[in-house]
Amino acid sequence: EAGVAQSPRYKIIEKRQSVAFWCNPISGHATLYWYQQILGQGPKLLIQFQNNGVVDDSQLPKDRFSAERLKGVDSTLKIQPAKLEDSAVYLCASSLSFASRDYSGNTIYFGEGSWLTVV
Amino acid sequence: GQQLNQSPQSMFIQEGEDVSMNCTSSSIFNTWLWYKQDPGEGPVLLIALYKAGELTSNGRLTAQFGITRKDSFLNISASIPSDVGIYFCAGGTSGTYKYIFGTGTRLKVLA
Repeated sequence: EAGVAQSPRYKIIEKRQSVAFWCNPISGHATLYWYQQILGQGPKLLIQFQNNGVVDDSQLPKDRFSAERLKGVDSTLKIQPAKLEDSAVYLCASSLSFASRDYSGNTIYFGEGSWLTVV
Repeated sequence: GQQLNQSPQSMFIQEGEDVSMNCTSSSIFNTWLWYKQDPGEGPVLLIALYKAGELTSNGRLTAQFGITRKDSFLNISASIPSDVGIYFCAGGTSGTYKYIFGTGTRLKVLA
């Protein structure tokens, strides 16, 4: 079974430029997450989709970040304009997210991440 | 955003030693996940726990879902150099499928 795919793996941009990251979740996974991980910290949720609807985007800086999952499969995260503090790893994750008695449908799996440096 | 407390923050151990780390929360979760992250890579799932009191093993790794549902523990037995990395816990809530991650435990193994 293919894992979560992300691209690009690495990106260096100047501040005020824009960047977009793409994610393809594991086939059949209903929930897709974008996390931001700053060096030395744990992942922090930016946005969570259930199929093509947004479940939680409360931590997404909406003045500069946007994300979409138009057909309930692939997703794109965009930053425009970028700031120095946006330098981080952007992790995409997915989950089956079905209700089961043992909660096993809850497990989330990560991609390798997209590493952004803003200079 | 909220993060769970992980302890210790970092540790150096000798190869062959056992390692223990834990994750605590003020909130109740019904799923606990443990991940390992190597430099330049995304987190890789090690163990998933779905029931309070559950004890689950994966090779030399053993994790437990705390009985209060507010904590979880990870043990690594007979550590080896490739155990080096950052270990993250994540607490999840069913229904919302929302996860909160810990601050991480950085493990360094001295050969």
